[in-house]
Amino acid sequence: DTGVSQDPRHKITKRGQNVTFRCDPISEHNRLYWYRQTLGQGPEFLTYFQNEAQLEKSRLLSDRFSAERPKGSFSTLEIQRTEQGDSAMYLCASSLYSTGGGETQYFGPGTRLLVL
Amino acid sequence: AQKVTQAQTEISVVEKEDVTLDCVYETRDTTYYLFWYKQPPSGELVFLIRRNSFDEQNEISGRYSWNFQKSTSSFNFTITASQVVDSAVYFCALSYTGGGNKLTFGTGTQLKVEL
Repeated sequence: DTGVSQDPRHKITKRGQNVTFRCDPISEHNRLYWYRQTLGQGPEFLTYFQNEAQLEKSRLLSDRFSAERPKGSFSTLEIQRTEQGDSAMYLCASSLYSTGGGETQYFGPGTRLLVL
Repeated sequence: AQKVTQAQTEISVVEKEDVTLDCVYETRDTTYYLFWYKQPPSGELVFLIRRNSFDEQNEISGRYSWNFQKSTSSFNFTITASQVVDSAVYFCALSYTGGGNKLTFGTGTQLKVEL
């Protein structure tokens, strides 16, 4: 049973460029979450999917950010016109949704973005 | 609104000492879930434990133990006989059913275990 994987692990880009990150969840998990973590802080929620439906987006997710999960499998997070303030670790997590709630989220290794 | 406070920014101990990491939470929901995650220098968050709001039993797993007290809204984590490999940032987090189970994290506690 493989865990959550993310690609790339590191990305350096120039301000104004577009970047795209990929997350592959644990295969049987139907929920997928994106978080952002800046230095010295805890992860902050960005958005989540249940199967292919994007159910919630945080106010942190400006219109330069877009996320997709086609076919309810892997997900991509795209940042357009990157800014230096976008520099952070982007974490993906997956879980198996249950009506009882409180399912455990398992995290990938993250993608560390540096915008110059 | 949900909030998690980890007042200890950094703790340094000598190997074999016991150490307790504090976590205080705020929520208006009656059904909620509390978690601890470990983040080693590699960056990946590793799940340690999950508790629901209806289960206040303390839990022990090897050298790790957790104390959940609803009366003080705390969910503290104790490492007994700490080891160098325990050095990491530890995060406490909260989720609730009505919020899509998204996690609200504290700011983390950096634990350094030295020889």
